[in-house]
Amino acid sequence: QKEVEQNSGPLSVPEGAIASLNCTYSDRGSQSFFWYRQYSGKSPELIMSIYSNGDKEDGRFTAQLNKASQYVSLLIRDSQPSDSATYLCAEGGTDDGLTFGKGTHLIIQP
Amino acid sequence: KAGVTQTPRYLIKTRGQQVTLSCSPISGHRSVSWYQQTPGQGLQFLFEYFSETQRNKGNFPGRFSGRQFSNSRSEMNVSTLELGDSALYLCASSLTVLTYGYTFGSGTRLTVV
Repeated sequence: QKEVEQNSGPLSVPEGAIASLNCTYSDRGSQSFFWYRQYSGKSPELIMSIYSNGDKEDGRFTAQLNKASQYVSLLIRDSQPSDSATYLCAEGGTDDGLTFGKGTHLIIQP
Repeated sequence: KAGVTQTPRYLIKTRGQQVTLSCSPISGHRSVSWYQQTPGQGLQFLFEYFSETQRNKGNFPGRFSGRQFSNSRSEMNVSTLELGDSALYLCASSLTVLTYGYTFGSGTRLTVV
Protein backbone atom coordinates (compact mmCIF):
# COMPACT_ATOMS: atom_id res chain seq x y z
CA GLN A 1 0.00 0.00 0.00
CA LYS A 2 1.34 3.38 -1.02
CA GLU A 3 2.25 5.81 1.73
CA VAL A 4 3.10 9.49 1.92
CA GLU A 5 4.72 10.60 5.14
CA GLN A 6 4.74 14.14 6.51
CA ASN A 7 5.69 15.60 9.85
CA SER A 8 2.40 16.73 11.40
CA GLY A 9 3.97 19.76 13.11
CA PRO A 10 3.07 22.32 14.10
CA LEU A 11 5.91 24.02 12.28
CA SER A 12 6.33 27.55 13.56
CA VAL A 13 8.13 30.08 11.33
CA PRO A 14 8.62 33.84 11.85
CA GLU A 15 6.98 36.18 9.37
CA GLY A 16 9.30 36.94 6.47
CA ALA A 17 11.36 33.77 6.90
CA ILE A 18 11.46 30.69 4.65
CA ALA A 19 9.11 27.84 5.59
CA SER A 20 10.35 24.40 4.54
CA LEU A 21 7.89 21.53 4.33
CA ASN A 22 8.91 17.99 3.50
CA CYS A 23 7.41 14.65 2.63
CA THR A 24 8.56 11.19 1.59
CA TYR A 25 6.69 8.65 -0.49
CA SER A 26 6.89 4.89 -0.76
CA ASP A 27 6.02 4.09 -4.39
CA ARG A 28 9.00 4.40 -6.74
CA GLY A 29 6.60 4.31 -9.67
CA SER A 30 4.88 7.54 -8.69
CA GLN A 31 4.96 10.08 -11.51
CA SER A 32 3.35 13.22 -10.18
CA PHE A 33 3.41 15.11 -6.95
CA PHE A 34 1.27 17.85 -5.53
CA TRP A 35 1.08 20.29 -2.69
CA TYR A 36 -2.32 21.36 -1.45
CA ARG A 37 -3.04 24.01 1.16
CA GLN A 38 -5.99 23.58 3.48
CA TYR A 39 -7.20 26.32 5.79
CA SER A 40 -9.13 25.25 8.86
CA GLY A 41 -12.71 24.41 7.93
CA LYS A 42 -12.03 24.74 4.20
CA SER A 43 -11.33 22.31 1.38
CA PRO A 44 -7.84 21.67 -0.04
CA GLU A 45 -6.54 24.06 -2.68
CA LEU A 46 -3.84 23.09 -5.18
CA ILE A 47 -0.78 25.31 -4.94
CA MET A 48 1.98 23.37 -6.73
CA SER A 49 2.49 20.34 -8.92
CA ILE A 50 5.82 18.79 -9.91
CA TYR A 51 6.62 15.90 -12.22
CA SER A 52 10.40 16.02 -12.87
CA ASN A 53 13.44 15.94 -10.64
CA GLY A 54 14.64 19.36 -9.59
CA ASP A 55 13.00 22.60 -8.60
CA LYS A 56 9.85 24.31 -9.82
CA GLU A 57 9.15 27.88 -8.80
CA ASP A 58 5.86 29.77 -8.77
CA GLY A 59 5.93 33.13 -7.05
CA ARG A 60 6.91 32.66 -3.41
CA PHE A 61 6.57 28.88 -3.67
CA THR A 62 9.24 26.40 -4.79
CA ALA A 63 8.59 22.68 -5.05
CA GLN A 64 11.54 20.30 -5.08
CA LEU A 65 11.50 16.66 -6.17
CA ASN A 66 14.18 14.02 -5.71
CA LYS A 67 12.93 10.71 -7.10
CA ALA A 68 16.08 8.81 -6.12
CA SER A 69 15.48 9.71 -2.47
CA GLN A 70 11.67 9.60 -2.85
CA TYR A 71 11.50 13.04 -1.33
CA VAL A 72 9.37 16.08 -2.09
CA SER A 73 9.60 19.48 -0.46
CA LEU A 74 7.88 22.85 -0.56
CA LEU A 75 9.62 26.10 0.25
CA ILE A 76 7.62 29.23 1.01
CA ARG A 77 9.69 32.39 0.84
CA ASP A 78 8.81 35.62 2.67
CA SER A 79 6.24 33.75 4.77
CA GLN A 80 3.08 35.68 5.61
CA PRO A 81 0.51 35.08 8.37
CA SER A 82 -1.96 34.19 5.60
CA ASP A 83 0.27 31.19 4.80
CA SER A 84 -0.72 29.62 8.13
CA ALA A 85 -2.57 26.45 7.14
CA THR A 86 -2.17 22.70 6.82
CA TYR A 87 -0.08 21.67 3.81
CA LEU A 88 -0.89 18.33 2.23
CA CYS A 89 1.61 16.44 0.09
CA ALA A 90 0.14 14.00 -2.44
CA GLU A 91 1.43 11.60 -5.06
CA GLY A 92 -0.35 10.11 -8.05
CA GLY A 93 0.04 8.69 -11.49
CA THR A 94 -0.85 5.04 -11.20
CA ASP A 95 -4.53 5.40 -11.96
CA ASP A 96 -5.83 4.92 -8.44
CA GLY A 97 -6.35 8.45 -7.31
CA LEU A 98 -4.07 10.55 -5.18
CA THR A 99 -2.40 9.28 -2.02
CA PHE A 100 -2.21 12.09 0.51
CA GLY A 101 -0.01 12.58 3.51
CA LYS A 102 -1.75 13.63 6.69
CA GLY A 103 -0.45 17.15 6.39
CA THR A 104 1.89 19.55 8.16
CA HIS A 105 0.34 22.31 10.23
CA LEU A 106 2.26 25.52 9.50
CA ILE A 107 2.05 28.57 11.76
CA ILE A 108 3.55 31.88 10.63
CA GLN A 109 4.26 34.04 13.65
CA PRO A 110 3.82 37.83 13.10
CA LYS B 1 -16.65 30.47 -13.68
CA ALA B 2 -18.50 28.41 -11.10
CA GLY B 3 -16.49 26.06 -8.93
CA VAL B 4 -17.30 22.57 -7.75
CA THR B 5 -20.64 22.48 -5.99
CA GLN B 6 -21.42 19.92 -3.32
CA THR B 7 -24.75 19.48 -1.62
CA PRO B 8 -25.73 19.34 1.10
CA ARG B 9 -23.05 21.04 3.17
CA TYR B 10 -24.03 19.30 6.39
CA LEU B 11 -25.89 16.11 7.19
CA ILE B 12 -26.78 14.30 10.39
CA LYS B 13 -27.88 10.70 9.99
CA THR B 14 -28.60 7.78 12.29
CA ARG B 15 -26.71 4.50 12.23
CA GLY B 16 -28.20 2.10 9.72
CA GLN B 17 -29.61 4.79 7.46
CA GLN B 18 -28.32 5.56 4.00
CA VAL B 19 -27.22 8.86 2.52
CA THR B 20 -26.71 10.36 -0.94
CA LEU B 21 -24.30 13.19 -1.59
CA SER B 22 -24.21 15.25 -4.76
CA CYS B 23 -21.41 16.93 -6.72
CA SER B 24 -21.53 19.20 -9.75
CA PRO B 25 -18.06 19.61 -11.30
CA ILE B 26 -16.66 22.68 -13.00
CA SER B 27 -18.22 23.17 -16.41
CA GLY B 28 -16.22 21.18 -18.98
CA HIS B 29 -14.61 18.92 -16.40
CA ARG B 30 -15.47 15.32 -17.08
CA SER B 31 -13.69 13.52 -14.26
CA VAL B 32 -15.09 13.47 -10.74
CA SER B 33 -13.30 11.87 -7.82
CA TRP B 34 -14.49 11.44 -4.27
CA TYR B 35 -12.40 11.52 -1.11
CA GLN B 36 -13.12 10.95 2.56
CA GLN B 37 -11.31 13.12 5.09
CA THR B 38 -11.10 12.24 8.78
CA PRO B 39 -8.75 13.51 11.50
CA GLY B 40 -7.30 10.04 12.02
CA GLN B 41 -6.87 8.82 8.44
CA GLY B 42 -6.56 12.07 6.54
CA LEU B 43 -7.72 12.21 2.92
CA GLN B 44 -8.50 8.83 1.40
CA PHE B 45 -9.51 8.07 -2.18
CA LEU B 46 -13.00 6.62 -2.61
CA PHE B 47 -13.54 6.42 -6.37
CA GLU B 48 -13.23 8.20 -9.69
CA TYR B 49 -15.82 8.56 -12.43
CA PHE B 50 -15.30 9.52 -16.05
CA SER B 51 -17.87 9.40 -18.84
CA GLU B 52 -20.41 7.81 -16.51
CA THR B 53 -18.05 4.92 -15.71
CA GLN B 54 -16.28 4.15 -12.48
CA ARG B 55 -12.62 3.94 -13.40
CA ASN B 56 -11.16 2.90 -10.10
CA LYS B 57 -12.05 2.54 -6.46
CA GLY B 58 -10.18 2.92 -3.21
CA ASN B 59 -10.09 0.52 -0.31
CA PHE B 60 -13.61 1.07 1.02
CA PRO B 61 -16.40 -1.44 1.63
CA GLY B 62 -19.18 -2.03 -0.87
CA ARG B 63 -21.49 0.16 1.22
CA PHE B 64 -19.84 3.07 -0.55
CA SER B 65 -21.00 3.49 -4.12
CA GLY B 66 -21.44 6.20 -6.66
CA ARG B 67 -22.47 7.10 -10.14
CA GLN B 68 -21.98 9.79 -12.74
CA PHE B 69 -24.58 11.23 -15.05
CA SER B 70 -24.25 12.31 -18.67
CA ASN B 71 -23.80 15.95 -17.60
CA SER B 72 -20.81 14.85 -15.45
CA ARG B 73 -22.65 15.46 -12.18
CA SER B 74 -21.95 12.73 -9.68
CA GLU B 75 -23.54 11.25 -6.62
CA MET B 76 -22.13 9.02 -3.95
CA ASN B 77 -24.19 6.80 -1.70
CA VAL B 78 -23.37 5.25 1.63
CA SER B 79 -25.70 2.54 2.85
CA THR B 80 -26.10 1.10 6.34
CA LEU B 81 -24.26 4.01 7.93
CA GLU B 82 -21.80 3.34 10.73
CA LEU B 83 -20.45 5.78 13.32
CA GLY B 84 -17.05 5.55 11.62
CA ASP B 85 -18.50 6.99 8.42
CA SER B 86 -18.63 10.41 10.07
CA ALA B 87 -16.30 12.49 7.96
CA LEU B 88 -15.91 15.30 5.47
CA TYR B 89 -16.65 13.98 1.99
CA LEU B 90 -14.91 15.92 -0.74
CA CYS B 91 -15.61 15.89 -4.42
CA ALA B 92 -12.75 16.74 -6.78
CA SER B 93 -13.19 17.85 -10.37
CA SER B 94 -10.64 17.63 -13.18
CA LEU B 95 -10.65 17.98 -16.95
CA THR B 96 -9.99 14.35 -17.68
CA VAL B 97 -8.54 11.22 -16.16
CA LEU B 98 -5.02 11.02 -14.77
CA THR B 99 -4.96 14.76 -14.25
CA TYR B 100 -4.65 15.24 -10.53
CA GLY B 101 -4.56 18.98 -10.36
CA TYR B 102 -7.94 18.77 -8.74
CA THR B 103 -10.32 21.50 -7.80
CA PHE B 104 -12.11 20.42 -4.66
CA GLY B 105 -15.63 21.32 -3.66
CA SER B 106 -16.42 22.67 -0.21
CA GLY B 107 -17.37 19.20 0.97
CA THR B 108 -20.26 17.59 2.78
CA ARG B 109 -19.82 17.16 6.51
CA LEU B 110 -21.57 13.90 7.47
CA THR B 111 -22.22 13.11 11.11
CA VAL B 112 -23.57 9.67 12.01
CA VAL B 113 -25.18 9.39 15.44
